[in-house]
Amino acid sequence: NAGVTQTPKFQVLKTGQSMTLQCAQDMNHEYMSWYRQDPGMGLRLIHYSVGAGITDQGEVPNGYNVSRSTTEDFPLRLLSAAPSQTSVYFCASGDSYEQYFGPGTRLTVT
Amino acid sequence: GDSVTQMEGPVTLSEEAFLTINCTYTATGYPSLFWYVQYPGEGLQLLLKATKADDKGSNKGFEATYRKETTSFHLEKGSVQVSDSAVYFCALSEAGNKLVFGAGTILRVKS
Repeated sequence: NAGVTQTPKFQVLKTGQSMTLQCAQDMNHEYMSWYRQDPGMGLRLIHYSVGAGITDQGEVPNGYNVSRSTTEDFPLRLLSAAPSQTSVYFCASGDSYEQYFGPGTRLTVT
Repeated sequence: GDSVTQMEGPVTLSEEAFLTINCTYTATGYPSLFWYVQYPGEGLQLLLKATKADDKGSNKGFEATYRKETTSFHLEKGSVQVSDSAVYFCALSEAGNKLVFGAGTILRVKS
């Protein structure tokens, strides 16, 4: 039981490049979400999904896209990276009792 | 909207000292309250939670009591260890799944 896995662990992008952060869970949770962590700001919700085919925006969705074609996977796409998207990104899955977080992806945009 | 405010750090303590990290919240309804811990280089782990007023969450020697009258959920531990050095996040959830986090408090424990 791997829990929540994220790839890659580290990534450096140039401004304007696109990429996809991968997230997978093996706990059969319907709910999955993406957060970004910035110094002094805690974690802020980017997008979330309550099940396959259903996604919605969180607090800071601009510049990011998501889709949910399976229960297990919830990728986060950066369409045109900007320096303001330099951050640590966490994926989570869970239920109404507890959220489980992945180890994070550290993204730097130059 | 909902928000969480927690004391700024870093908090630096000697081993076996008493720990308090303050957390207050603003919410429109009756949220569940959480403390998460993040060890260096890792993701967040749930430390404890409370779902209604006067509930006390506890785990690994840490405690926090849901105080509705003061809208607070302060984290306490009677005797900290070096291994407790981490970042601690207070959070709330009104919708069961969506979490609103405080800014985090860095705790450093010296031997």
